[in-house]
Amino acid sequence: QVQLQQSGPGLVKPSQTLSLTCAISGDSVSSNSVAWNWIRQSPSRGLEWLGRTYYRSKWYNDYAVSVKSRITINPDTSNNQFSLQLNSVTPEDTAVYYCARGIFGGLNWFAPWGQGTLVTVSS
Amino acid sequence: EIVLTQSPATLSLSPGERATLSCRASQSVSSYLGWYQQKPGQAPRLLIYEASNRATGIPARFSGSGSGTDFTLTISSLEPEDFAVYYCQQRSNWPLTFGGGTKVEIK
Repeated sequence: QVQLQQSGPGLVKPSQTLSLTCAISGDSVSSNSVAWNWIRQSPSRGLEWLGRTYYRSKWYNDYAVSVKSRITINPDTSNNQFSLQLNSVTPEDTAVYYCARGIFGGLNWFAPWGQGTLVTVSS
Repeated sequence: EIVLTQSPATLSLSPGERATLSCRASQSVSSYLGWYQQKPGQAPRLLIYEASNRATGIPARFSGSGSGTDFTLTISSLEPEDFAVYYCQQRSNWPLTFGGGTKVEIK
């Protein structure tokens, strides 16, 4: 059974960097048949896909245009986990952040999800 | 960007009743539409993918149908644990997008 466990701070100051980690059990970050995603949810923006990393003989990343200039998703093969960094945050980045495995068609169906981390951007 | 519009916003039903939820896409997504269930304080859970395929472990009372721009999630007989918010998602075009949700509440 695949499980995702998120960790990271719940409060980030404006203009600083949001950093979260998603630890994987029951699967491998280096699997060549899945992708590893970050998605956020807020009352104002709903569910918003942010980006993904996946391995197909080498590592690839895809990012949403809305955050492309500020986001980095990195795999950590030593610890079987992946991370999210979002730079220059503003209060609009306040949301519940989820990691999720992408499976099936195009690796664009998400199951399972991590437990979620509420990140508040405030001074 | 493909916009997904879900209706109704809220559905008030009793256990044992049939629930019919709608998701309409702003342009054709072929059959590349899925459904998720989210309960308070929990992450979404994948129910249906590619319009009509049930994900692993999903009960047979959940079914999906549709293609192009109009899709339906049907819960044949509501169980107490089915009262939740349901979201649709498309994977036809980037960016991947989600609908705004339908809340199924107890009448």
